[in-house]
Amino acid sequence: GAGVSQSPSNKVTEKGKDVELRCDPISGHTALYWYRQSLGQGLEFLIYFQGNSAPDKSGLPSDRFSAERTGGSVSTLTIQRTQQEDSAVYLCASSLGPLNTEAFFGQGTRLTVV
Amino acid sequence: SQKIEQNSEALNIQEGKTATLTCNYTNYSPAYLQWYRQDPGRGPVFLLLIRENEKEKRKERLKVTFDTTLKQSLFHITASQPADSATYLCALGGDSNYQLIWGAGTKLIIKP
Repeated sequence: GAGVSQSPSNKVTEKGKDVELRCDPISGHTALYWYRQSLGQGLEFLIYFQGNSAPDKSGLPSDRFSAERTGGSVSTLTIQRTQQEDSAVYLCASSLGPLNTEAFFGQGTRLTVV
Repeated sequence: SQKIEQNSEALNIQEGKTATLTCNYTNYSPAYLQWYRQDPGRGPVFLLLIRENEKEKRKERLKVTFDTTLKQSLFHITASQPADSATYLCALGGDSNYQLIWGAGTKLIIKP
């Protein structure tokens, strides 16, 4: 596609439920990032995928969070047993390469846990 | 710990004037700095990248400066327009580390 696509745009879920967020990066981009953005806060790094290398999961806040990237393209971020503090905008970005290159962001998924 | 500060208060500028946004950082020696624009409900959009050995960079009405001694970057929009109203984020990175450190952003409002 022309840009990074994320779905759904908005998700309201009950506390304790699992959610899956999807990211379609730009074709040919080898690097993919997931970030979390809370109101008035900077982007919080969650996880990074680069080609076929093992992902950097150092930013995942707890073991309830996991992510996969299939075939070096589509990525899904899964949050199990959601908590109210998980409410935020989850942003996906892709770039041509791993270092200091322009990052292209999706529109984000606004997650609300009630 | 590494810290980036951007003015948390909204910046109100009259149309046609130059808007200047500040990004200060501590406990970090970045190899480069990026500026992004973010509109409500949208993801950030890349604007400019400036490297540590560059003092200034320009793109159309945008100008970025990078002072590694002061640990500060200034982002200027000349001849500002209401369409420039958005939140502007700065992000720092290192050549050996793909992770960017992000500021919280400054909301810019250009009044007609």
